[in-house]
Amino acid sequence: EAQVTQNPRYLITVTGKKLTVTCSQNMNHEYMSWYRQDPGLGLRQIYYSMNVEVTDKGDVPEGYKVSRKEKRNFPLILESPSPNQTSLYFCASSVPGTGDTEAFFGQGTRLTVV
Amino acid sequence: EDQVTQSPEALRLQEGESSSLNCSYTVSGLRGLFWYRQDPGKGPEFLFTLYSAGEEKEKERLKATLTKKESFLHITAPKPEDSATYLCAVNQAGTALIFGKGTTLSVSS
Repeated sequence: EAQVTQNPRYLITVTGKKLTVTCSQNMNHEYMSWYRQDPGLGLRQIYYSMNVEVTDKGDVPEGYKVSRKEKRNFPLILESPSPNQTSLYFCASSVPGTGDTEAFFGQGTRLTVV
Repeated sequence: EDQVTQSPEALRLQEGESSSLNCSYTVSGLRGLFWYRQDPGKGPEFLFTLYSAGEEKEKERLKATLTKKESFLHITAPKPEDSATYLCAVNQAGTALIFGKGTTLSVSS
């Protein structure tokens, strides 16, 4: 089954404690991206990757890092989380040739930073 | 200023009561308009891509149309399982997808 898998689904952490949210896709997609979804603001792109070792900033990259060492994995790293990073996060991978438009999204990770 | 505006924010329908959701956009150099469906607790699910004014796409009870300033998602004879949040997004040259805030549709039997 084609899917994008994120872990964990839920996470509560404290300010400043480094964390990683993993994302893996089994569709051999080249394009992957991370979004955050906040009430009243909609979905906003954090980072994207067009292929292995190629990453770039989206609209709201501050406070986040990513890496793309393998095609299937695209982890999101918060080096020093702060309460304003409390949000619902989605990883997505996209059908080749469509950029980030026809995307398959993961189930989401609900992060709370206290 | 919002570049993608969806209306209404929420819509309640009776089963079988057809209606339309609106997505208006102000971006220039539009490279595509996209509709996604999002169920509670899940990630968005891709529905349609529209590229040029006059284009229409259909899938079951859903039909998406596009003009130069807006798109409509028409829902014909909806069923309770159509209840979800519908997201509109646009792709502007050189930028990431720009999403609207969504319309939450509730269909009661």
